[in-house]
Amino acid sequence: ETGVTQTPRHLVMGMTNKKSLKCEQHLGHNAMYWYKQSAKKPLELMFVYNFKEQTENNSVPSRFSPECPNSSHLFLHLHTLQPEDSALYLCASSPPLNTEAFFGQGTRLTVV
Amino acid sequence: GNSVTQMEGPVTLSEEAFLTINCTYTATGYPSLFWYVQYPGEGLQLLLKATKADDKGSNKGFEATYRKETTSFHLEKGSVQVSDSAVYFCALRGGRNNDMRFGAGTRLTVKP
Repeated sequence: ETGVTQTPRHLVMGMTNKKSLKCEQHLGHNAMYWYKQSAKKPLELMFVYNFKEQTENNSVPSRFSPECPNSSHLFLHLHTLQPEDSALYLCASSPPLNTEAFFGQGTRLTVV
Repeated sequence: GNSVTQMEGPVTLSEEAFLTINCTYTATGYPSLFWYVQYPGEGLQLLLKATKADDKGSNKGFEATYRKETTSFHLEKGSVQVSDSAVYFCALRGGRNNDMRFGAGTRLTVKP
């Protein structure tokens, strides 16, 4: 148990659906991240939020839309996804300095 | 920008064999270095870390030393067990954005 909770753990959605992934931490961390982990690619950093402000967007398609309403919660809104978007989506949080990030268990997303 | 390169897998060893997974990095300034482990169906867990040159991180029999002169942070274990079978990620944190950067991951399989 790392203190970072992701829901749901598994999600199957059609290409025309809209769904959201949720991440929650009560560790007092100010930075939160979304990563994508595909079977054949390295871990990809998608978005970074520091103090609720988005500080990085690594050329992620607009069908992925992050939201950080407060420093404890992070969402990833999904719409009109493609089958190649099927992957494990990992959320992480970290304190401000050069310390480790804490990961949730991930949401296994399958787009059909 | 910052980056991490780790040896490609997969790596297959017999129980009680010696393990080395190589990791080198490119970074400005003085990053912190980490090894994470991912067991099947799980998120990433911190295995060990080092925050400055010549520091040695250790946990569960695994060790890695922060070598600034060779920009390396190789993971070692003297005697692996079947339960060590997992994917191992080298990572760093630091630089202007202070975000986490990961290597591609190395899958380790230990056979009895």
